[in-house]
Amino acid sequence: DQQVKQNSPSLSVQEGRISILNCDYTNSMFDYFLWYKKYPAEGPTFLISISSIKDKNEDGRFTVFLNKSAKHLSLHIVPSQPGDSAVYFCAASGGNKLVFGAGTILRVKS
Amino acid sequence: NAGVTQTPKFRILKIGQSMTLQCAQDMNHNYMYWYRQDPGMGLKLIYYSVGAGITDKGEVPNGYNVSRSTTEDFPLRLELAAPSQTSVYFCASRPGPTEAFFGQGTRLTVV
Repeated sequence: DQQVKQNSPSLSVQEGRISILNCDYTNSMFDYFLWYKKYPAEGPTFLISISSIKDKNEDGRFTVFLNKSAKHLSLHIVPSQPGDSAVYFCAASGGNKLVFGAGTILRVKS
Repeated sequence: NAGVTQTPKFRILKIGQSMTLQCAQDMNHNYMYWYRQDPGMGLKLIYYSVGAGITDKGEVPNGYNVSRSTTEDFPLRLELAAPSQTSVYFCASRPGPTEAFFGQGTRLTVV
């Protein structure tokens, strides 16, 4: 069963606009959520995270929102830049596990 | 401080052969993980470890084995390679329930 779901395989946005990537999870034991960015032929790199006791965390152009009741989180990138084009993975941590979603390919057009 | 180091970077195996994918970290992290990423797919958890001598199965453990004799090393063993194990393998480590750091990956092809 897929515990972390990213239902949008891809997203295309114009440079300067907002990118919104979504993620849903099913397991209530998850208490820490992360977003990773991945370029081809490289390992994923950490972007931003949020604890389950918070509903928002900001770091520069990146903001993560958590809605625990809906088991939903989202990543907002404002403004989007061409260098943001990559695969974005949502991940959830609970107990000792770290589980990832299928990823969303973000393309930022200039 | 090299972070997480995976070797080899590329490997071609014949069906039925065995091999060990190496993973080493120099950050003194207790938690270590192995994932596989199939083309166009996400990261699937194979095995993980919370410390030396402790390992546990993830989502897709069949066909693999692991050991954790030291904090630094977490090798992944494929005993009888099958074409379905063609994938990119990533190792990761983290100090606790926080962000994980990834290696550059091992691209494995089984023919």
